[in-house]
Amino acid sequence: SQQGEEDPQALSIQEGENATMNCSYKTSINNLQWYRQNSGRGLVHLILIRSNEREKHSGRLRVTLDTSKKSSSLLITASRAADTASYFCDDSQGGSEKLVFGKGTKLTVNP
Amino acid sequence: DTAVSQTPKYLVTQMGNDKSIKCEQNLGHDTMYWYKQDSKKFLKIMFSYNNKELIINETVPNRFSPKSPDKAHLNLHINSLELGDSAVYFCASASRGVDTQYFGPGTRLTVL
Repeated sequence: SQQGEEDPQALSIQEGENATMNCSYKTSINNLQWYRQNSGRGLVHLILIRSNEREKHSGRLRVTLDTSKKSSSLLITASRAADTASYFCDDSQGGSEKLVFGKGTKLTVNP
Repeated sequence: DTAVSQTPKYLVTQMGNDKSIKCEQNLGHDTMYWYKQDSKKFLKIMFSYNNKELIINETVPNRFSPKSPDKAHLNLHINSLELGDSAVYFCASASRGVDTQYFGPGTRLTVL
């Protein structure tokens, strides 16, 4: 897989607001995944969207995928202070292969 | 009921020492990985093992030697530690053919 690039690098919002972060990648993909990393903790898998899907929901998370633009967005609705973390995307070619991450988007949700 | 565990959580040591980090997963996965996250937060693959066999070995100094005694364990041994080895090391596991990887909590290594 290639290194996904997340944008923006940092995002600060108030609790209750929505947070949107974007990911761009370079090559064709089988699927794209979003991960969260709380400060000092390991990565937690959030959601996987396949290349033939355009949108996927999981709780307060909504992920879109535009393969023509090679981009994905992660929307967190009604944010909470506990959503404060760094968010990373990864585009995979399939199989148990390595993940490569960029710097991520650091989200701060202020109470 | 921890899925992927690493020990120790923190490791502070002097340059030139040899140290090991252990990783265990109880998910029944057959593939395990070691990643290094540097100070810039980039996460880079180091090694990958499938059924105790090495399948990915990125450009890593040969001072780093992974050891997989069985499918549930992948340990990382580092010889002659250098200042540049300071980082957070993450272990992960997955089922072959499945993209989702499950990460351990990380081991913060500080070389003085």
